[in-house]
Amino acid sequence: DAMVIQNPRYQVTQFGKPVTLSCSQTLNHNVMYWYQQKSSQAPKLLFHYYDKDFNNEADTPDNFQSRRPNTSFCFLDIRSPGLGDAAMYLCATSRDPSGEETQYFGPGTRLLVL
Amino acid sequence: QQQVKQSPQSLIVQKGGISIINCAYENTAFDYFPWYQQFPGKGPALLIAIRPDVSEKKEGRFTISFNKSAKQFSLHIMDSQPGDSATYFCATRNAGGTSYGKLTFGQGTILTVHP
Repeated sequence: DAMVIQNPRYQVTQFGKPVTLSCSQTLNHNVMYWYQQKSSQAPKLLFHYYDKDFNNEADTPDNFQSRRPNTSFCFLDIRSPGLGDAAMYLCATSRDPSGEETQYFGPGTRLLVL
Repeated sequence: QQQVKQSPQSLIVQKGGISIINCAYENTAFDYFPWYQQFPGKGPALLIAIRPDVSEKKEGRFTISFNKSAKQFSLHIMDSQPGDSATYFCATRNAGGTSYGKLTFGQGTILTVHP
């Protein structure tokens, strides 16, 4: 059974054209994370929500925004994608930041910017 | 800036051999040390994890060894199988502060197990 679902799996957008990536979870976890993973690199945390509290990483560009309308869904908005934003975007969830279960990752959305 | 240094970058092992991946960290404010396994085109999946009050944890063929004083931890894969071929990431988890729960990943190790 899918636990962390990301849609779409592949997204092609044009330079500067806004794009939204979607994540949903069936785990009822309190925390949802968005990571960016470029080819052959480690995942890099962009931001996370603890319930409705939004936490932005200091080095996350303003071009990246997020919304969490309810417990199950979280969205990543890229307002004006650049060529350097082409990457795999991973959504992850955890019950709480200190739990033994740590983070469950979705399959990712691969973004291509033309 | 918090860093986790992982080595080697790539590793080739024969079937049945032992795979060893090492990680070193700098900050001491971590409460959890997970290892993730990632196959191409998939998200990372938690493999095994350890808390800093334990020196070793074993789950099946996978063992974490943890050296708190040296700020190092390693993953050992016994009897390595071709199906273990994947990228492995170590990570550290922040214990508190504004980055509470944040995972910082190592650079990754591409493991190839030859049949």
